[in-house]
Amino acid sequence: DGGITQSPKYLFRKEGQNVTLSCEQNLNHDAMYWYRQDPGQGLRLIYYSQIVNDFQKGDIAEGYSVSREKKESFPLTVTSAQKNPTAFYLCASSKTGGSNNEQFFGPGTRLTVL
Amino acid sequence: KQEVTQIPAALSVPEGENLVLNCSFTDSAIYNLQWFRQDPGKGLTSLLLIQSSQREQTSGRLNASLDKSSGRSTLYIAASQPGDSATYLCAVSGGYQKVTFGIGTKLQVIP
Repeated sequence: DGGITQSPKYLFRKEGQNVTLSCEQNLNHDAMYWYRQDPGQGLRLIYYSQIVNDFQKGDIAEGYSVSREKKESFPLTVTSAQKNPTAFYLCASSKTGGSNNEQFFGPGTRLTVL
Repeated sequence: KQEVTQIPAALSVPEGENLVLNCSFTDSAIYNLQWFRQDPGKGLTSLLLIQSSQREQTSGRLNASLDKSSGRSTLYIAASQPGDSATYLCAVSGGYQKVTFGIGTKLQVIP
C-alpha cells in the first residue's frame, strides 16, 4: 500500500532535549512538508522540501530543523530552542508543487513536553 | 496575506440529511482548493481537489464547488451518515509554501 508513515505516534520530551520525528513516504512524491496543528488554529507550515537535498523554511521554522537526504524521508528535529513544542505534527507530501500539489498526509505525531 | 474562514465552526444534523459546509478565502489568486476530513487524533484525509479552472468536483456522496471570483467554496454531503462525523477542513493553495488552511467545521451526524 502506498502512503505516508510517521513515527512515533506519541512522543514525550523533557526540557532541553532535542527530539526527531520520522516521516517516510512511498508515493514517489517529490515534495514533502511538515505542519504543526494547535487547537483552534489552522495548520501552520514549518518546513517544506521540493526535491532531495533542498528544503525551505515555512512560516514557523524557528526552533526546528530538517534534512532531505533521500526522496522517501523527511525527518523533523524539534530542538530545545523551540519554546512551545507541545502540538500535533503532521507530515505531508505532494507529487510536485504549483497547481498539481494535491497533498497527502501521514497519521501525525503528538509531541508533549514534560 | 491569504485568510481562510470556515462557517459554521460546528454542525450537528440527523442522519440522512443533506448538508453544506462553507469555506471562504480572501485572495482569489489560487492554484487549487482542497477539502480534507480529519478524525480525532488522526491525520488529514484528502476528499476532493478543485483546480482553479474548475467549478466543481464530485466523489460519491460529496460534491465540492468553487467560485474563485467571489472567494467561496462549498462542500455538499448528501444523505449524511454517522460515519461522516469528523472535522472538515479546506485548504487554499497558491504554491508550495502558500497553502493556507481553515480551522475546520466539526460535523456530528446523529443516528
